[in-house]
Amino acid sequence: KQEVTQIPAALSVPEGENLVLNCSFTDSAIYNLQWFRQDPGKGLTSLLLIQSSQREQTSGRLNASLDKSSGRSTLYIAASQPGDSATYLCAVTNQAGTALIFGKGTTLSVSS
Amino acid sequence: EAQVTQNPRYLITVTGKKLTVTCSQNMNHEYMSWYRQDPGLGLRQIYYSMNVEVTDKGDVPEGYKVSRKEKRNFPLILESPSPNQTSLYFCASSSLGYSNYGYTFGSGTRLTVV
Repeated sequence: KQEVTQIPAALSVPEGENLVLNCSFTDSAIYNLQWFRQDPGKGLTSLLLIQSSQREQTSGRLNASLDKSSGRSTLYIAASQPGDSATYLCAVTNQAGTALIFGKGTTLSVSS
Repeated sequence: EAQVTQNPRYLITVTGKKLTVTCSQNMNHEYMSWYRQDPGLGLRQIYYSMNVEVTDKGDVPEGYKVSRKEKRNFPLILESPSPNQTSLYFCASSSLGYSNYGYTFGSGTRLTVV
């Protein structure tokens, strides 16, 4: 059964720092991988989608990489800002396309 | 605007009183799904639907029902809610196959069963 793990569970950094969030998954047979942002008690906002045939995607200060063979993805946030404070969720779609399996998230706090 | 709309946003109900949480999408997506989010357990899939009249169980289907009579709507039904169904619920949709551009989520429904 696919399991998704995110490390660290929580992270506190000062404003301006570059940081990396890690995601690992146990079954490399995925359709794609998606990173989401969730503010407390709110919905999920999609940040980046990486298809299984791709290695990375970029959007603004965010860059996500995917190494399917090793079961790893990273989300790189450049020049962090207090507005980046949120929980970041990594999720993989199974090959059948029937489920999105989530990690438990990394809660990021950026102080000014 | 492309979106998934859930209603209500907040709901407090009593044990055993049937309720329905509605979900609607305007993107003509084939796939729709319901998730619940609980502290320490993360997001878990309840039910999903690959198209009209096609539904299947996810990881935690007990106590829930769904229907897919129209492509845009996928309501979640709790016929006899219990306190252990107190949770934050999300509906999601996506296109399938090569046109899959990821999942779009609704804003969530916070349900409290007393």
